[in-house]
Amino acid sequence: NAGVTQTPKFQVLKTGQSMTLQCAQDMNHEYMSWYRQDPGMGLRLIHYSVGAGITDQGEVPNGYNVSRSTTEDFPLRLLSAAPSQTSVYFCASKRAGTTNEKLFFGSGTQLSVL
Amino acid sequence: AQSVTQLDSHVSVSEGTPVLLRCNYSSSYSPSLFWYVQHPNKGLQLLLKYTSAATLVKGINGFEAEFKKSETSFHLTKPSAHMSDAAEYFCVVSPTSGTYKYIFGTGTRLKVLA
Repeated sequence: NAGVTQTPKFQVLKTGQSMTLQCAQDMNHEYMSWYRQDPGMGLRLIHYSVGAGITDQGEVPNGYNVSRSTTEDFPLRLLSAAPSQTSVYFCASKRAGTTNEKLFFGSGTQLSVL
Repeated sequence: AQSVTQLDSHVSVSEGTPVLLRCNYSSSYSPSLFWYVQHPNKGLQLLLKYTSAATLVKGINGFEAEFKKSETSFHLTKPSAHMSDAAEYFCVVSPTSGTYKYIFGTGTRLKVLA
């Protein structure tokens, strides 16, 4: 049972480049989300989705795009990378319904923007 | 609006001594509360959750937390620290009904001294 899979694990970009962080889950979870983790700031929600075709913004959405064409996949796109986007990115998923269901996390993508 | 405050960014304990990681929350309703642990270079893993069934919640690896509504606290404790407990710990409050925006604390890094 793979759970939540993120790729790549590490990435270095130059300012202005674009890229897509991949996230896939095999638990048939309706809810998927992207967080960024920065020192001293905990995890901050970027975007989330509650099903195919449904996405919404989180706390820090600027500079990021998402789409949800299938239940399994929830890619995060950086359109024009900036040094401020240097961070560790986590994808998380859960069953929809009650808010007391736990989140399942991927192992993270460490992104550096030079 | 909900918020969560982790009162200590770093905690150091000696192996075999008790652990106390403090978390205060603010919410306009009765929330669900979670503690997650993140070991170095890993994703986050659920330690325990409070969902109003019982105020004292037991989790994995000997951790427990007590929900105190009068103090708006959800502190994490363990009677005897082990070297393997060294990690970062996050207190999380569930979103309001109709949203999926989980609120993470800024984290407490636990160091266990031999």
